[in-house]
Amino acid sequence: KQEVTQIPAALSVPEGENLVLNCSFTDSAIYNLQWFRQDPGKGLTSLLLIQSSQREQTSGRLNASLDKSSGRSTLYIAASQPGDSATYLCAVSISGNTGKLIFGQGTTLQVKP
Amino acid sequence: EAGVTQFPSHSVIEKGQTVTLRCDPISGHDNLYWYRRVMGKEIKFLLHFVKESKQDESGMPNNRFLAERTGGTYSTLKVQPAELEDSGVYFCASSPLGGRSLRDGYTFGSGTRLTVV
Repeated sequence: KQEVTQIPAALSVPEGENLVLNCSFTDSAIYNLQWFRQDPGKGLTSLLLIQSSQREQTSGRLNASLDKSSGRSTLYIAASQPGDSATYLCAVSISGNTGKLIFGQGTTLQVKP
Repeated sequence: EAGVTQFPSHSVIEKGQTVTLRCDPISGHDNLYWYRRVMGKEIKFLLHFVKESKQDESGMPNNRFLAERTGGTYSTLKVQPAELEDSGVYFCASSPLGGRSLRDGYTFGSGTRLTVV
């Protein structure tokens, strides 16, 4: 059974700091891994999608890596800003047919001005 | 392009009542998913439609939950009768079929916060 774990559960950093969020999964047989952002009372916004054959994806100040063999992914946020404060969720797709996602519990990030 | 729309955004009902949640996916997205997050837990998969057909309903908690997608457009999720443990946020997501789905990922709605009292 696939399980996704995110560490830490919460993180508070000063503005400008670089930070890393961690995601681990128990079964390396995944199709892709996706990082989402959720603001309070809002839906999930897709940040980065990494296919199982890829090692990393970048978008602006965000960089996500994937190591399937070790069951790990990291989301690197450079030069953090108060607007980055949100909950970050990691999810893996375990089937190419159904697209069913298995989510971690998320990391709540606070960036202090 | 309009996003995934869900309504109502909030619903408070009494135990034993019926509630129907609605999701309008992005136009042309044949895949439609329902997920749920209960307090303190991770978001969990409920079911998946491909057009009007249920592809995977392995996450549906019990037979008090009924999902439909008539005509392959919008979907409804009915809870009847509602229980206290059904409280949570219900998310809908949609994606296009085939390779684009796996490449582009999913678009989620803002969710419906259901409170059963």
